[in-house]
Amino acid sequence: GESVGLHLPTLSVQEGDNSIINCAYSNSASDYFIWYKQESGKGPQFIIDIRSNMDKRQGQRVTVLLNKTVKHLSLQIAATQPGDSAVYFCAEDDPSGTYKYIFGTGTRLKVLA
Amino acid sequence: SQTIHQWPATLVQPVGSPLSLECTVEGTSNPNLYWYRQAAGRGLQLLFYSVGIGQISSEVPQNLSASRPQDRQFILSSKKLLLSDSGFYLCAWSVLGQGTEAFFGQGTRLTVV
Repeated sequence: GESVGLHLPTLSVQEGDNSIINCAYSNSASDYFIWYKQESGKGPQFIIDIRSNMDKRQGQRVTVLLNKTVKHLSLQIAATQPGDSAVYFCAEDDPSGTYKYIFGTGTRLKVLA
Repeated sequence: SQTIHQWPATLVQPVGSPLSLECTVEGTSNPNLYWYRQAAGRGLQLLFYSVGIGQISSEVPQNLSASRPQDRQFILSSKKLLLSDSGFYLCAWSVLGQGTEAFFGQGTRLTVV
């Protein structure tokens, strides 16, 4: 379900290294997943999405992996840059037909110089 | 191209005062519309969503209400604000139907004093 009232976990990564942000989703019937990036004081921005008929999708410096067996989603950021510092949220569409999105807890990514 | 406008960006209101936050979408028709609230350092809590004019679904019983007087206009209101209503309010839209990403506005930072 939706994660509110939980403090965000933090991932610290050295600049230039690869980052991996993980997310466990709740409903095995979900068939669409999204990663968002939220910078301080701004609204979330779409990064990449993936449908349940895929295991992997690549964008520019980002890759999303979907493991439906264990209901796990990950976002990989290659050659992490200072501008990647933000909070990252995964989201799944509600498969019950309500047009809602179920958001994960969020992970704060800190890029160390 | 589609754009979403949300205002004001920041708002300081006394306890007991009314609230009206407005969100409008341009460049699309019949969008799904959403209001989220985000406490500092926390995840996204869905407050309301709408799949059409006058159709509002409430997710969390609370001091707030929403209205959709026009196809691309979504309003969040309160008759009397509480201290606990402070937070970052985000409006979002998605294409009617499922399996597409939601696009967020830039948010309104509400502080109730």
